[in-house]
Amino acid sequence: GAVVSQHPSRVICKSGTSVKIECRSLDFQATTMFWYRQFPKQSLMLMATSNEGSKATYEQGVEKDKFLINHASLTLSTLTVTSAHPEDSSFYICSMAGWKLNNEQFFGPGTRLTVL
Amino acid sequence: AQKITQTQPGMFVQEKEAVTLDCTYDTSDQSYGLFWYKQPSSGEMIFLIYQGSYDEQNATEGRYSLNFQKARKSANLVISASQLGDSAMYFCAMRENRGGATNKLIFGTGTLLAVQP
Repeated sequence: GAVVSQHPSRVICKSGTSVKIECRSLDFQATTMFWYRQFPKQSLMLMATSNEGSKATYEQGVEKDKFLINHASLTLSTLTVTSAHPEDSSFYICSMAGWKLNNEQFFGPGTRLTVL
Repeated sequence: AQKITQTQPGMFVQEKEAVTLDCTYDTSDQSYGLFWYKQPSSGEMIFLIYQGSYDEQNATEGRYSLNFQKARKSANLVISASQLGDSAMYFCAMRENRGGATNKLIFGTGTLLAVQP
């Protein structure tokens, strides 16, 4: 199957700073990327869907100006948490999908963000 | 609207025994896919098994099988011969297949499985 990497795996930042998380497909070109957020002991909540070359579609309740998503190429998507606050501390996971992936999304290993 | 329900927040199973994790779903679409993922404490989401709504046979992948009952809208995961490494959170998910693999997944709340020696 396809391999997806995320960087960084863990980040601690001060309140008010911005953090960028990268999601890369290592051996496949993805047409669609998804970004999820997971709070402790909860399920994955979809934040946004991005297609290469077009603007991301955000789920209801997710601030697009706070969570900037850029699907720069078929192998790279980034999520930038702008002016992060402690309530943004969470586990962020990306996944990728494409027509050649037979009914399956492949997930990155996740990024644990802690905002102090 | 799509909805996934996992009613078991936690389960215990003895090593080497089988366990069934429940999942029910709700959708008005005829074409959809059902997934099970395993999430160990490290956080990564590991794909286990997939069942398409038009698949006539229940999906199986090694020790994992999916008990698909379309009329009841249930897609329970059966893990046979449990191992200590099976201890993890398990999520059921659904995707409408209108757009194929690029449609979003809706996840259930998960079941925490603990395998006891």
